[in-house]
Amino acid sequence: EAGVTQFPSHSVIEKGQTVTLRCDPISGHDNLYWYRRVMGKEIKFLLHFVKESKQDESGMPNNRFLAERTGGTYSTLKVQPAELEDSGVYFCASSRRLAGLTGELFFGEGSRLTVL
Amino acid sequence: AQSVTQLDSQVPVFEEAPVELRCNYSSSVSVYLFWYVQYPNQGLQLLLKYLSGSTLVKGINGFEAEFNKSQTSFHLRKPSVHISDTAEYFCAVMTGTSYGKLTFGQGTILTVHP
Repeated sequence: EAGVTQFPSHSVIEKGQTVTLRCDPISGHDNLYWYRRVMGKEIKFLLHFVKESKQDESGMPNNRFLAERTGGTYSTLKVQPAELEDSGVYFCASSRRLAGLTGELFFGEGSRLTVL
Repeated sequence: AQSVTQLDSQVPVFEEAPVELRCNYSSSVSVYLFWYVQYPNQGLQLLLKYLSGSTLVKGINGFEAEFNKSQTSFHLRKPSVHISDTAEYFCAVMTGTSYGKLTFGQGTILTVHP
């Protein structure tokens, strides 16, 4: 069984540019989560999809961030325009529907974003 | 709201020595507790979890943790570490209605020396 796949693994962009991060969850996992770790800080929740619907987006920092999950499969996280403070590692995680209740998430390796 | 504090940012130990990674949490409601581990160039993976029942929980790779409600702690232990245990360890909490919304600590980097 393939794990959670994230692309790109590392992206370097200039302030003001746009970046789109992609996440392919484990097949059959209805729950998809985005988390972010800013350098030196803790990993923080951004949002949660159940299939194609946003269940909880309370962690999204501002309206420069847009997350979508087309057809309940893969998800994208777009940052437009990027700011310096957006630099960090963006983690995607997935779980089966009920496994979300028990916190058993499968994480990808993360996409490192560097904004210059 | 919940918060998690991992008391050590880095823990160096020698191979075959015991190790304890400390975690304290704060919450106004009951929480579930977790330890996740991130090995180099890999994603986070669940090491162990406490949902209810016995306060001593065992996880993968010989790790165990004890939930102490009065001290609001969930320390991770292993009696004898291996080089392969070198990784970053994250303590996390989640409420019963959070559906995968984990609150993480800052992480502890465990380095095992030969």
